[in-house]
Amino acid sequence: DAGVIQSPRHEVTEMGQEVTLRCKPISGHNSLFWYRQTMMRGLELLIYFNNNVPIDDSGMPEDRFSAKMPNASFSTLKIQPSEPRDSAVYFCASSSRGAEKLFFGSGTQLSVL
Amino acid sequence: AQSVTQLDSHVSVSEGTPVLLRCNYSSSYSPSLFWYVQHPNKGLQLLLKYTSAATLVKGINGFEAEFKKSETSFHLTKPSAHMSDAAEYFCVVSTAGYSTLTFGKGTMLLVSP
Repeated sequence: DAGVIQSPRHEVTEMGQEVTLRCKPISGHNSLFWYRQTMMRGLELLIYFNNNVPIDDSGMPEDRFSAKMPNASFSTLKIQPSEPRDSAVYFCASSSRGAEKLFFGSGTQLSVL
Repeated sequence: AQSVTQLDSHVSVSEGTPVLLRCNYSSSYSPSLFWYVQHPNKGLQLLLKYTSAATLVKGINGFEAEFKKSETSFHLTKPSAHMSDAAEYFCVVSTAGYSTLTFGKGTMLLVSP
């Protein structure tokens, strides 16, 4: 199994640009999580899907952030417009048992200049 | 509400000496507790989990943790550190249902030869 696949691995963009992060969960997993990791705030849950349906998006910082899961094998996290304070590592994780055991991708390092 | 406090941001040990990473939790309900490890430029990986069975939990790579309800602690230990153990370790708490996890700020483990 290839594990959770995230792309791109690194993204450098300018303030105001749209950024799209992508995630392919492990086949058969029905839960998907997006996390953001920064030095100041640690790991924060942004949004959680179960069976492709958003269950908890209370961690999404503001309307500039949106996430979709059109099918069981793909999810996107979009930031529009991006701001320097969005710079962080964004992780996608999937699970077959809620949050009991998460499998993380390698993350996307986002830098907004 | 639930929270987790990792008492040390950095721990330094010599190879072959014991490792102790400290974690205290707060939870309104019977918690499930986890330790995850993050190696540089990698996603997080589950080390071990406590889910109300045996209070001493064994994980991968020789790590173990003991759940102590009276002390609200879940410290991670290993008898003998190896260079490959150098990484960041996260203590995590979840309430029943596993819908969300609350991550600690992390403890960076440094292992010197």
